[in-house]
Amino acid sequence: QKEVEQNSGPLSVPEGAIASLNCTYSDRGSQSFFWYRQYSGKSPELIMFIYSNGDKEDGRFTAQLNKASQYVSLLIRDSQPSDSATYLCAVSPPRGGADGLTFGKGTHLIIQP
Amino acid sequence: DTGVSQDPRHKITKRGQNVTFRCDPISEHNRLYWYRQTLGQGPEFLTYFQNEAQLEKSRLLSDRFSAERPKGSFSTLEIQRTEQGDSAMYLCASSEKTRTYNEQFFGPGTRLTVL
Repeated sequence: QKEVEQNSGPLSVPEGAIASLNCTYSDRGSQSFFWYRQYSGKSPELIMFIYSNGDKEDGRFTAQLNKASQYVSLLIRDSQPSDSATYLCAVSPPRGGADGLTFGKGTHLIIQP
Repeated sequence: DTGVSQDPRHKITKRGQNVTFRCDPISEHNRLYWYRQTLGQGPEFLTYFQNEAQLEKSRLLSDRFSAERPKGSFSTLEIQRTEQGDSAMYLCASSEKTRTYNEQFFGPGTRLTVL
């Protein structure tokens, strides 16, 4: 059973601070890694993806990947109350990425004003 | 670019009834995926299509679930003889074949309640 693990939280971070969200995955052959944001009652929204070791930055968001440790993280700088949501980590399968993604349960992030 | 659309947004049905949901992907996307999400869980992959071909259906939850994409455009997901355990959000996502890393974009979902 391929698994993606996330701490469900809630993770509470003061406004303006850095929020750090973590994810581990079990299938060493996984190819690409995605972070989705999901507001309560809404559908997931893709915010970042990463496929090679290291960091990838997009605005206030930085995704980090360490394939040796099977670990993915998302950093949110200058956290805003609007960042309060559930963040889902998702992993694509090894054989080419055309199948469905495997999701973690998500981390509930609360940004305190 | 109009995003993925799903219809209906909400469906309430009685146990034992059949329900059908529709998904219209982003127009240039030829891959279409169905997921189910229950409270407190991440989306769970059910099936996917590339154009009209259903390339993965072993993850459908039971033989009561079926999906079609007859002309390679919109897709339908049908649940026959619904059970209370089928209550969930049913999500559709689409992606473009030429995108190497298969970024998937979700529609708003259909929330099913089985009484």
